[in-house]
Order: sequence, then structure tokens, then C-alpha cells
Amino acid sequence: GAVVSQHPSWVICKSGTSVKIECRSLDFQATTMFWYRQFPKQSLMLMATSNEGSKATYEQGVEKDKFLINHASLTLSTLTVTSAHPEDSSFYICSARGDGEIGYGYTFGSGTRLTVV
Amino acid sequence: DQQVKQNSPSLSVQEGRISILNCDYTNSMFDYFLWYKKYPAEGPTFLISISSIKDKNEDGRFTVFLNKSAKHLSLHIVPSQPGDSAVYFCAASHFYSGGGADGLTFGKGTHLIIQP
Repeated sequence: GAVVSQHPSWVICKSGTSVKIECRSLDFQATTMFWYRQFPKQSLMLMATSNEGSKATYEQGVEKDKFLINHASLTLSTLTVTSAHPEDSSFYICSARGDGEIGYGYTFGSGTRLTVV
Repeated sequence: DQQVKQNSPSLSVQEGRISILNCDYTNSMFDYFLWYKKYPAEGPTFLISISSIKDKNEDGRFTVFLNKSAKHLSLHIVPSQPGDSAVYFCAASHFYSGGGADGLTFGKGTHLIIQP
């Protein structure tokens, strides 16, 4: 079945630094990748959608200059949180969709717990 | 404005009985609905989905019912097992004829507790 690998699973960084999170589809080509954020006891909120080779589309209220998304290949998307602040501390999850039989649905990564100190 | 609503933050069910989790949506563009199981600090695990052209989909112990006119869906788990204890999220999306799809809109989740 479809597998999405997300790294790192957790990261602690200092305020003002940048953090990169990777999302890879292991056994299918992900034409579309989605990035979500979940605050404690809250729902998963869609941050942005990226199609391979195109600029990401951000949801309302999500700063595109702060959350840089790159989807340069059909198996890899990265989310970079730039100049991170404590309020960016959250659980970030990626999801990938492909066009083939494998990965046709939404397959999620295992998530990244970001703590900004 | 929440487009997908799960109005029960928690639900307690005895082992062996049926668990029924409910979900309502407001966006008429949604045509694909999914249920996920999630543990803290983990990604969601897909359980079952249903397209708007159907009103029922079954997979083992899990059945999803869709009432389009009421914009309501429910997940039935029978029989409930202790391992089913988790937070369950309802999600919805819109699929395009060309094969693309929107990102998922999630409800706030229902914490299901199966009592032994």
C-alpha cells in the first residue's frame, strides 16, 4: 500500500531559526502534497497544497513567506518554517496523493512535533 | 466557520457494543468523505471512505453511512474493541473530474473510549 515518510518526527529549535521538514512518498508518485498543522486538542488544519513543479497554494491566514513549501520532485516535498517563533510550535503533518492505483487516496506521514524555544 | 462538524467531543462505549460516531458538513461541494483514527503525536490512519454517489460503504467492522440530503454521515464500529479507543476524525473533500482533489477539511474529532 501507499507509504509516506516524514522526517524528522520531532525537532526543537531556537526562536529565530529555520526548520525544514521532509515528506517523501516511498512507493508512488505524489502529484499533490498537502501540509497540515494541528494544535493541541484541535483539528488538523490544511495549510497549503502543492503540485509537483508548481508553486504551492496557501490557505487563508497562512503566511507563504513564513512557511516555504517546495515540491520539486514527484516523491519529495519540504516545508521550511522560517524565523520560527514559539507560536509556531505545533504538530505538522504532510499528506500525499498520486494518480495511480497506489496512493490514489490521501496517505499521511507520521507527523513532526515542532517546539520553538 | 466550520464546514465539517463533529459535535461529540467524546463517546464511551462498552466493549462488544456498537460505536456510532457522527459528522455533519455544510459545504455542498464536498463529494468524498473519509474517517481517520488518530493517536497523539502520530499521523492519521485511514479507516474508510465514501463517495457522494453512495449511501453506504462497509469494510469489516467499519461501516460508513452518508445522508446527502441531511449533509450527515456516521461511522459504525461493531463490535467495538478496546483497541478502537482513539480519536476519530471525519474529513471531507471535493474531487475534480480531471483527477485532482482538494485538501481535506477535518472535523474536530471524537475521542472514543471503549470500556472493557
